[in-house]
Amino acid sequence: SYELTQPPSVSVSPGQTARITCSGDALPKQYAYWYQQKPGQAPVLVIYKDSERPSGIPERFSGSSSGTTVTLTISGVQAEDEADYYCQSADSSGTVVFGGGTKLTVL
Amino acid sequence: QLQLQESGPGLVKPSETLSLTCTVSGGSISSSSYYWGWIRQPPGKGLEWIGSIYYSGSTYYNPSLKSRVTISVDTSKNQFSLKLSSVTAADTAVYYCARHWSDRSRYNWFDPWGQGTLVTVSS
Repeated sequence: SYELTQPPSVSVSPGQTARITCSGDALPKQYAYWYQQKPGQAPVLVIYKDSERPSGIPERFSGSSSGTTVTLTISGVQAEDEADYYCQSADSSGTVVFGGGTKLTVL
Repeated sequence: QLQLQESGPGLVKPSETLSLTCTVSGGSISSSSYYWGWIRQPPGKGLEWIGSIYYSGSTYYNPSLKSRVTISVDTSKNQFSLKLSSVTAADTAVYYCARHWSDRSRYNWFDPWGQGTLVTVSS
């Protein structure tokens, strides 16, 4: 079955830039999406269609795509950005797939 | 503002059927632009898509769960429902419902999500 691969954890200091990657063979043909999930809360969409930002999401969140890897970038990380981040896409048949998640720690 | 709310039993016995309902408010489930989906998250683990339904009743499911899943819609109540049969402890999870933006082709994402409901499978 199709898989999306994320690093289990990323750590950054406040004010620095965090980059979380997600790799998958179908990503050149399928859009990727990113969700932020804080403890005890439902996931929140922070990036859609690789690089679009929903209304209400701070400008420090951005997304990019290159080949089989997509990247979520958080510029000027704040303490409130500490959370789990999940990428999501689909395989060629339209089956939705989530990455395993990355825990972002703000040091 | 669209809101979704899951409801149903928090405890289900092994081998029985898990049943949940998602009530949509602040918008119509009959919108032609969206599917409506179920996603689950076992405690301490990642997200897993279960399946999605269009207001017409058209469905598509995660192949890994397809044999046990039924998703239905009741447009008169602005609700959609999940049934998962023959549950085991491995089905213990927080179950979320969400609006699913999908063209069944190149794009699909979930926004917004319900708050989630924990379902425990135990005797």
